[in-house]
Amino acid sequence: DAGVTQSPTHLIKTRGQQVTLRCSPISGHKSVSWYQQVLGQGPQFIFQYYEKEERGRGNFPDRFSARQFPNYSSELNVNALLLGDSALYLCASSLAGNTEAFFGQGTRLTVV
Amino acid sequence: AQSVTQLGSHVSVSEGALVLLRCNYSSSVPPYLFWYVQYPNQGLQLLLKYTSAATLVKGINGFEAEFKKSETSFHLTKPSAHMSDAAEYFCAVPTDSWGKLQFGAGTQVVVTP
Repeated sequence: DAGVTQSPTHLIKTRGQQVTLRCSPISGHKSVSWYQQVLGQGPQFIFQYYEKEERGRGNFPDRFSARQFPNYSSELNVNALLLGDSALYLCASSLAGNTEAFFGQGTRLTVV
Repeated sequence: AQSVTQLGSHVSVSEGALVLLRCNYSSSVPPYLFWYVQYPNQGLQLLLKYTSAATLVKGINGFEAEFKKSETSFHLTKPSAHMSDAAEYFCAVPTDSWGKLQFGAGTQVVVTP
């Protein structure tokens, strides 16, 4: 079975631009979460969606938004990119909210 | 709110030696605790999870962790390190009923021949 897939794997953007990251969960998983991992740190929670409803939001500015589609895939959007947004963005899926999370390989975003 | 603390950002072990990575949780007994491993340029892989069914939890790749309520700890161990164990290890705890995870800062493991 395919695991959590994220696209693209790498991305370079310029300050002020907008970016969309995509995530396909494991088949049958209805919960998708997004995390930001800055180099040398642990992942920080950004969003969680379950059954297309936002169930949690971390301490990130409104420039960050996300949505979940009827097929449970998800997109993370970041507007007005800053240099500090450079990070590995991880998507995780789980059967329900409070069960073990399976992570994708991540999208490495570099803002220049 | 629940949180975890990992002691030691870097650990260097010799091949064949014991690996011990420390994790302490902050407050009340959590329903779950996790250890994840991250190899270079990759996502996170679940090593093992604590679910209150047993205090000694066995995971993949020969790792195990023991939950100790009296010490609020969930340390990860492996009796004999392999070169392939070189990676970063994260302890994590859910902070709400929807499974939002709080991660520790991570421990980088280096294995020397």
